Amino acid sequence: TQLLEQSPQFLSIQEGENLTVYCNSSSVFSSLQWYRQEPGEGPVLLVTVVTGGEVKKLKRLTFQFGDARKDSSLHITAAQPGDTGLYLCAGEASGKLIFGQGTTLQVKP
Amino acid sequence: GAVVSQHPSRVICKSGTSVKIECRSLDFQATTMFWYRQFPKQSLMLMATSNEGSKATYEQGVEKDKFLINHASLTLSTLTVTSAHPEDSSFYICSAQARDRGNNEQFFGPGTRLTVL
Repeated sequence: TQLLEQSPQFLSIQEGENLTVYCNSSSVFSSLQWYRQEPGEGPVLLVTVVTGGEVKKLKRLTFQFGDARKDSSLHITAAQPGDTGLYLCAGEASGKLIFGQGTTLQVKP
Repeated sequence: GAVVSQHPSRVICKSGTSVKIECRSLDFQATTMFWYRQFPKQSLMLMATSNEGSKATYEQGVEKDKFLINHASLTLSTLTVTSAHPEDSSFYICSAQARDRGNNEQFFGPGTRLTVL
């Protein structure tokens, strides 16, 4: 069974701080996605990384895929209250998505 | 483009009754749809994969006779929770893969909150 370990599961920080969320697995994924989910809504895709070592930036968010395509990280610079939400990583394998446990981020003004 | 809708968004039912949830791809054809379940403060767990015109493939531990899935067209899949019990209360989310996109990207619906009394 393929698993994605996501950490930390909860994070409460002050506005302006930086943070990093990690997703790790012993399995190789063909791609890895990061989603953000608001309460009572479906997840919204932020980015897909496909190539080992790939780095993608989305404004203050930086996503990295590990060289071996087993792990990924999401780094947020100068977090803002609007970044508050549930962040999910998901690895694709055999046409299915395996989700990590999620990281609940709270950014206090 | 690539919008997925779910209906209803919220449903409350009595224990022992059945509830049907619809998942529609509004502006694309979906060869494959997925059904997920999400408990409070937890992540999404894949329940089953639904391919148009064929039987759904269920994940280990998911009862196929309890969670009936029908994918009768390229734009509609339904999940019926039969004889619902309070422990079936959860947030059910579907996703759809576009037929002509050439990749496996899944587009997610807004979810359906099921509460069984």
